[in-house]
Amino acid sequence: AQSVTQLGSHVSVSEGALVLLRCNYSSSVPPYLFWYVQYPNQGLQLLLKYTTGATLVKGINGFEAEFKKSETSFHLTKPSAHMSDAAEYFCAVSEPYNQGGKLIFGQGTELSVKP
Amino acid sequence: EAQVTQNPRYLITVTGKKLTVTCSQNMNHEYMSWYRQDPGLGLRQIYYSMNVEVTDKGDVPEGYKVSRKEKRNFPLILESPSPNQTSLYFCASSLRTSTGYNEQFFGPGTRLTVL
Repeated sequence: AQSVTQLGSHVSVSEGALVLLRCNYSSSVPPYLFWYVQYPNQGLQLLLKYTTGATLVKGINGFEAEFKKSETSFHLTKPSAHMSDAAEYFCAVSEPYNQGGKLIFGQGTELSVKP
Repeated sequence: EAQVTQNPRYLITVTGKKLTVTCSQNMNHEYMSWYRQDPGLGLRQIYYSMNVEVTDKGDVPEGYKVSRKEKRNFPLILESPSPNQTSLYFCASSLRTSTGYNEQFFGPGTRLTVL
Protein backbone atom coordinates (compact mmCIF):
# COMPACT_ATOMS: atom_id res chain seq x y z
CA ALA A 1 0.00 0.00 0.00
CA GLN A 2 1.13 3.51 -0.69
CA SER A 3 1.38 6.19 1.96
CA VAL A 4 2.69 9.71 2.45
CA THR A 5 4.15 11.32 5.54
CA GLN A 6 4.66 15.04 5.87
CA LEU A 7 7.03 16.01 8.64
CA GLY A 8 5.79 19.01 10.56
CA SER A 9 2.17 20.07 10.61
CA HIS A 10 3.21 23.71 11.02
CA VAL A 11 6.23 25.47 9.57
CA SER A 12 7.00 29.12 10.16
CA VAL A 13 9.58 31.11 8.19
CA SER A 14 10.49 34.74 7.81
CA GLU A 15 9.82 36.56 4.59
CA GLY A 16 12.80 36.04 2.30
CA ALA A 17 13.95 32.87 4.05
CA LEU A 18 14.22 29.41 2.55
CA VAL A 19 11.07 27.31 2.57
CA LEU A 20 11.53 23.57 3.10
CA LEU A 21 8.51 21.30 3.46
CA ARG A 22 9.27 17.64 3.94
CA CYS A 23 7.50 14.70 2.36
CA ASN A 24 8.35 11.02 2.49
CA TYR A 25 6.43 8.35 0.66
CA SER A 26 6.03 4.63 0.64
CA SER A 27 5.20 2.88 -2.60
CA SER A 28 5.62 -0.61 -3.99
CA VAL A 29 5.55 0.71 -7.55
CA PRO A 30 7.31 3.67 -9.16
CA PRO A 31 5.54 6.62 -7.57
CA TYR A 32 3.79 9.50 -9.20
CA LEU A 33 4.11 12.38 -6.73
CA PHE A 34 2.39 15.72 -6.40
CA TRP A 35 2.43 18.83 -4.29
CA TYR A 36 -0.79 20.77 -3.94
CA VAL A 37 -1.39 24.08 -2.21
CA GLN A 38 -4.61 25.14 -0.48
CA TYR A 39 -5.20 28.79 0.24
CA PRO A 40 -7.84 29.69 2.83
CA ASN A 41 -11.37 28.95 1.65
CA GLN A 42 -10.17 27.63 -1.66
CA GLY A 43 -9.71 24.29 -3.36
CA LEU A 44 -6.45 22.51 -4.00
CA GLN A 45 -4.16 23.84 -6.69
CA LEU A 46 -1.39 21.79 -8.26
CA LEU A 47 2.08 23.18 -7.54
CA LEU A 48 4.13 20.54 -9.29
CA LYS A 49 4.30 16.87 -10.13
CA TYR A 50 6.85 14.14 -10.61
CA THR A 51 6.03 11.31 -12.99
CA THR A 52 9.17 10.09 -14.69
CA GLY A 53 12.37 11.63 -16.00
CA ALA A 54 14.10 14.58 -14.38
CA THR A 55 14.18 14.24 -10.61
CA LEU A 56 14.24 17.99 -9.98
CA VAL A 57 10.80 19.33 -10.76
CA LYS A 58 9.96 23.00 -11.06
CA GLY A 59 6.49 24.24 -10.35
CA ILE A 60 4.52 27.43 -10.12
CA ASN A 61 5.29 30.40 -7.87
CA GLY A 62 9.00 29.57 -7.65
CA PHE A 63 8.59 26.22 -5.92
CA GLU A 64 10.53 23.12 -6.80
CA ALA A 65 10.86 19.59 -5.47
CA GLU A 66 13.44 16.88 -5.83
CA PHE A 67 12.53 13.21 -6.10
CA LYS A 68 15.07 11.08 -4.22
CA LYS A 69 14.35 7.42 -4.65
CA SER A 70 17.06 6.29 -2.22
CA GLU A 71 15.54 8.44 0.52
CA THR A 72 11.92 7.93 -0.59
CA SER A 73 11.53 11.69 -0.34
CA PHE A 74 9.96 14.48 -2.34
CA HIS A 75 10.68 17.65 -0.37
CA LEU A 76 9.31 20.99 -1.52
CA THR A 77 11.54 24.07 -1.50
CA LYS A 78 11.46 27.72 -2.38
CA PRO A 79 14.58 29.88 -2.04
CA SER A 80 12.82 32.98 -0.74
CA ALA A 81 9.46 32.99 1.02
CA HIS A 82 6.84 35.58 0.24
CA MET A 83 3.91 36.57 2.41
CA SER A 84 1.57 35.23 -0.26
CA ASP A 85 3.03 31.72 0.22
CA ALA A 86 1.18 31.35 3.51
CA ALA A 87 -1.13 28.40 2.93
CA GLU A 88 -1.50 24.69 3.57
CA TYR A 89 0.59 22.35 1.46
CA PHE A 90 -0.20 18.73 0.69
CA CYS A 91 2.08 16.06 -0.67
CA ALA A 92 0.33 13.21 -2.47
CA VAL A 93 1.10 9.97 -4.25
CA SER A 94 -1.17 8.66 -6.97
CA GLU A 95 -2.46 5.17 -7.40
CA PRO A 96 -2.50 4.01 -11.02
CA TYR A 97 -5.92 4.04 -12.60
CA ASN A 98 -6.09 0.25 -12.67
CA GLN A 99 -5.94 0.33 -8.87
CA GLY A 100 -8.50 3.08 -8.42
CA GLY A 101 -6.52 6.17 -9.33
CA LYS A 102 -6.94 7.96 -6.05
CA LEU A 103 -4.57 10.45 -4.57
CA ILE A 104 -3.18 9.47 -1.19
CA PHE A 105 -2.47 12.63 0.74
CA GLY A 106 -0.19 13.47 3.59
CA GLN A 107 -1.64 15.25 6.60
CA GLY A 108 -0.68 18.64 5.28
CA THR A 109 1.78 21.30 6.41
CA GLU A 110 0.59 24.77 7.25
CA LEU A 111 3.14 27.37 6.22
CA SER A 112 3.23 30.71 8.01
CA VAL A 113 5.37 33.56 6.72
CA LYS A 114 6.44 36.28 9.16
CA PRO A 115 7.19 39.80 7.99
CA GLU B 1 -12.09 28.47 -18.53
CA ALA B 2 -11.29 24.88 -17.63
CA GLN B 3 -12.69 24.18 -14.22
CA VAL B 4 -14.47 21.95 -11.76
CA THR B 5 -17.51 23.53 -10.17
CA GLN B 6 -19.37 22.49 -7.06
CA ASN B 7 -22.67 23.62 -5.62
CA PRO B 8 -23.52 24.66 -3.06
CA ARG B 9 -20.33 26.06 -1.57
CA TYR B 10 -21.79 26.15 1.92
CA LEU B 11 -24.64 24.12 3.35
CA ILE B 12 -26.11 23.79 6.81
CA THR B 13 -28.70 21.07 7.21
CA VAL B 14 -30.26 18.82 9.82
CA THR B 15 -29.85 15.15 10.50
CA GLY B 16 -31.77 12.93 8.11
CA LYS B 17 -32.63 15.51 5.46
CA LYS B 18 -31.47 14.20 2.09
CA LEU B 19 -29.13 16.42 0.15
CA THR B 20 -27.14 16.45 -3.07
CA VAL B 21 -23.89 18.24 -3.79
CA THR B 22 -23.37 18.74 -7.49
CA CYS B 23 -20.06 18.56 -9.31
CA SER B 24 -19.43 19.42 -12.92
CA GLN B 25 -16.29 19.63 -15.05
CA ASN B 26 -15.84 21.11 -18.51
CA MET B 27 -12.56 19.39 -19.44
CA ASN B 28 -14.02 16.18 -20.87
CA HIS B 29 -12.27 14.18 -18.15
CA GLU B 30 -13.06 10.51 -17.80
CA TYR B 31 -12.09 10.19 -14.14
CA MET B 32 -13.95 11.95 -11.34
CA SER B 33 -13.70 11.58 -7.60
CA TRP B 34 -15.04 12.87 -4.30
CA TYR B 35 -12.87 13.53 -1.23
CA ARG B 36 -13.63 14.77 2.23
CA GLN B 37 -11.19 16.82 4.27
CA ASP B 38 -11.19 16.66 8.04
CA PRO B 39 -8.75 18.24 10.52
CA GLY B 40 -6.01 15.82 11.44
CA LEU B 41 -7.18 13.25 8.90
CA GLY B 42 -6.27 15.01 5.67
CA LEU B 43 -8.20 14.21 2.50
CA ARG B 44 -9.81 10.84 2.03
CA GLN B 45 -11.51 9.48 -1.05
CA ILE B 46 -15.24 8.75 -0.80
CA TYR B 47 -16.14 7.48 -4.28
CA TYR B 48 -14.66 7.61 -7.73
CA SER B 49 -15.74 7.05 -11.31
CA MET B 50 -13.59 5.86 -14.19
CA ASN B 51 -16.19 6.80 -16.79
CA VAL B 52 -19.90 7.14 -17.42
CA GLU B 53 -21.93 4.53 -15.52
CA VAL B 54 -18.77 3.22 -13.79
CA THR B 55 -18.43 4.06 -10.10
CA ASP B 56 -16.63 2.47 -7.18
CA LYS B 57 -16.06 2.96 -3.48
CA GLY B 58 -13.12 4.79 -2.07
CA ASP B 59 -11.87 4.64 1.49
CA VAL B 60 -14.85 6.15 3.29
CA PRO B 61 -18.03 5.45 1.27
CA GLU B 62 -20.45 4.76 4.13
CA GLY B 63 -23.43 7.10 4.11
CA TYR B 64 -22.80 8.39 0.59
CA LYS B 65 -24.04 7.60 -2.90
CA VAL B 66 -22.91 8.79 -6.29
CA SER B 67 -24.03 8.52 -9.89
CA ARG B 68 -22.35 9.16 -13.22
CA LYS B 69 -25.02 9.43 -15.90
CA GLU B 70 -23.12 12.01 -17.90
CA LYS B 71 -19.41 12.48 -18.37
CA ARG B 72 -19.33 16.00 -17.00
CA ASN B 73 -21.40 15.50 -13.83
CA PHE B 74 -20.72 13.50 -10.68
CA PRO B 75 -23.18 14.35 -7.88
CA LEU B 76 -22.64 13.28 -4.29
CA ILE B 77 -25.78 12.21 -2.47
CA LEU B 78 -26.27 11.98 1.27
CA GLU B 79 -29.55 10.13 1.74
CA SER B 80 -29.70 10.57 5.51
CA PRO B 81 -26.97 12.92 6.68
CA SER B 82 -25.55 12.59 10.16
CA PRO B 83 -23.35 14.97 12.20
CA ASN B 84 -20.25 12.87 11.49
CA GLN B 85 -20.60 13.85 7.84
CA THR B 86 -19.89 17.46 8.73
CA SER B 87 -16.82 18.13 6.63
CA LEU B 88 -15.27 19.95 3.70
CA TYR B 89 -15.95 18.10 0.45
CA PHE B 90 -13.96 18.30 -2.75
CA CYS B 91 -14.76 17.03 -6.19
CA ALA B 92 -11.87 16.33 -8.55
CA SER B 93 -11.44 15.22 -12.13
CA SER B 94 -8.62 13.86 -14.21
CA LEU B 95 -7.80 12.95 -17.76
CA ARG B 96 -6.82 9.35 -18.34
CA THR B 97 -3.47 9.09 -20.05
CA SER B 98 -1.40 6.26 -21.47
CA THR B 99 0.78 6.30 -18.35
CA GLY B 100 -2.23 5.50 -16.20
CA TYR B 101 -1.76 8.59 -14.07
CA ASN B 102 -2.48 12.27 -14.23
CA GLU B 103 -2.93 15.14 -11.85
CA GLN B 104 -6.40 15.73 -10.51
CA PHE B 105 -8.11 19.10 -10.80
CA PHE B 106 -10.09 20.12 -7.78
CA GLY B 107 -13.27 22.07 -7.30
CA PRO B 108 -13.52 24.93 -4.77
CA GLY B 109 -15.02 22.76 -2.06
CA THR B 110 -18.37 22.47 -0.28
CA ARG B 111 -18.47 23.08 3.44
CA LEU B 112 -21.24 20.95 4.92
CA THR B 113 -22.54 21.20 8.45
CA VAL B 114 -25.06 18.63 9.69
CA LEU B 115 -26.81 19.61 12.91
